[in-house]
Amino acid sequence: EADIYQTPRYLVIGTGKKITLECSQTMGHDKMYWYQQDPGMELHLIHYSYGVNSTEKGDLSSESTVSRIRTEHFPLTLESARPSHTSQYLCASSNDRGRETQYFGPGTRLLVL
Amino acid sequence: AQKVTQAQTEISVVEKEDVTLDCVYETRDTTYYLFWYKQPPSGELVFLIRRNSFDEQNEISGRYSWNFQKSTSSFNFTITASQVVDSAVYFCALRGSARQLTFGSGTQLTVLP
Repeated sequence: EADIYQTPRYLVIGTGKKITLECSQTMGHDKMYWYQQDPGMELHLIHYSYGVNSTEKGDLSSESTVSRIRTEHFPLTLESARPSHTSQYLCASSNDRGRETQYFGPGTRLLVL
Repeated sequence: AQKVTQAQTEISVVEKEDVTLDCVYETRDTTYYLFWYKQPPSGELVFLIRRNSFDEQNEISGRYSWNFQKSTSSFNFTITASQVVDSAVYFCALRGSARQLTFGSGTQLTVLP
């Protein structure tokens, strides 16, 4: 069973605001990921981390930034939210033992007005 | 480059019918992993199964079964005696040497009572 948490679950915010989406996991996984997904559509990787102080951009260009100061925590920040950022953001983690099944959090649904 | 194709965008069945979700993949890697995830309306992705490229045994778990055929690069998923609670979007995914998951575009399954 996955122990990965995301807050907030839902967020409605105005254009230009700075937001941080929180993701934490209690499984001690080295690797963490952020995906962006429009409702019912495919997932796009926007950021990933293979360990503390390691972050990389994913396949989909994103204006968001991430940090990995602690193993269990992988927050995503948007400095200035825009309506085009409206989407669902899913966080995932996996271990480093070759099989690397990714376990997902419940997601954050973001609406930027 | 890796690619996962789920040609069925939407499927509707009546409860108790069997249904098969198709997944076809492309990869040049000889070692890779295939996954199925379920995404119910609540939004989280639920891990269902992982299969590695060296294990072509079919697997059955309750009403779920998976048919992996390397010869046709397919990893199909069958639900027997479908139930309304099976209604969800189902994603097939592939991980090869690139170490990132490549997702298909998903199949929306609707099970009608």
